[in-house]
Amino acid sequence: QLQLQESGPGLVQPSETLSLICTVSGGSTNTNSFYWGWIRQPPGRGLEWIGSILQSGSADYSPSLKSRISMSIDTSRDQLSLKLNSVTAADTAVYYCARMIRPRSGYVFYSFYMDVWGKGTTVTVSS
Amino acid sequence: DIQMTQSPSTLSASVGDRVTITCRASQSITNWLAWYQQKPGKSPKLLISKTSNLESGVPLRFSGSGSGTEFTLTISGLQPDDFATYYCQQYHSYSSFGQGTKLEIK
Repeated sequence: QLQLQESGPGLVQPSETLSLICTVSGGSTNTNSFYWGWIRQPPGRGLEWIGSILQSGSADYSPSLKSRISMSIDTSRDQLSLKLNSVTAADTAVYYCARMIRPRSGYVFYSFYMDVWGKGTTVTVSS
Repeated sequence: DIQMTQSPSTLSASVGDRVTITCRASQSITNWLAWYQQKPGKSPKLLISKTSNLESGVPLRFSGSGSGTEFTLTISGLQPDDFATYYCQQYHSYSSFGQGTKLEIK
């Protein structure tokens, strides 16, 4: 049974870099059939897609966060990572990692939906 | 950016009721729409993909329909386990979610 587990500091200082790891178990990230990525949910609010990455390291990012995001994947460890720099209080959220599916029709690639989610990790940005 | 708007924001219903949640996209997303269920303190659970494809293990009382810019999630015969928050998500272009609909017990 595929499981994803997020880990990282629960508290980050403003203007610093938020760094999270997602460890995948019960399956392999070394596949072209699925993407892997991150979604966040600020307290009491809705969901926001952050970005998605393939085994090759090819990544797609949310336009609103693209300038501050870096994602990577280590298929030998079945881990993916997220770095978000210059954080502010607005980045306080529960961060989820997820397995993602990207449909295609011929040469057209659509965006991602999430079929397996981790339990999430809470990150607070505060001094 | 494609904006997703759900209605209502809150829905009160009773066990056994049939309820419908609407999701509207700011532009056509064809049928690239998913629905998720989220319970307090838990991660979202995928219910439906591509507008109407029920995920394995999801009860048949859940159904989805629509195309273009207007979509619906219907739950026929509400069960106690169904009271939760529901989100729609478009994945036509740069995935985005609706603001959520909280389904509460009347």
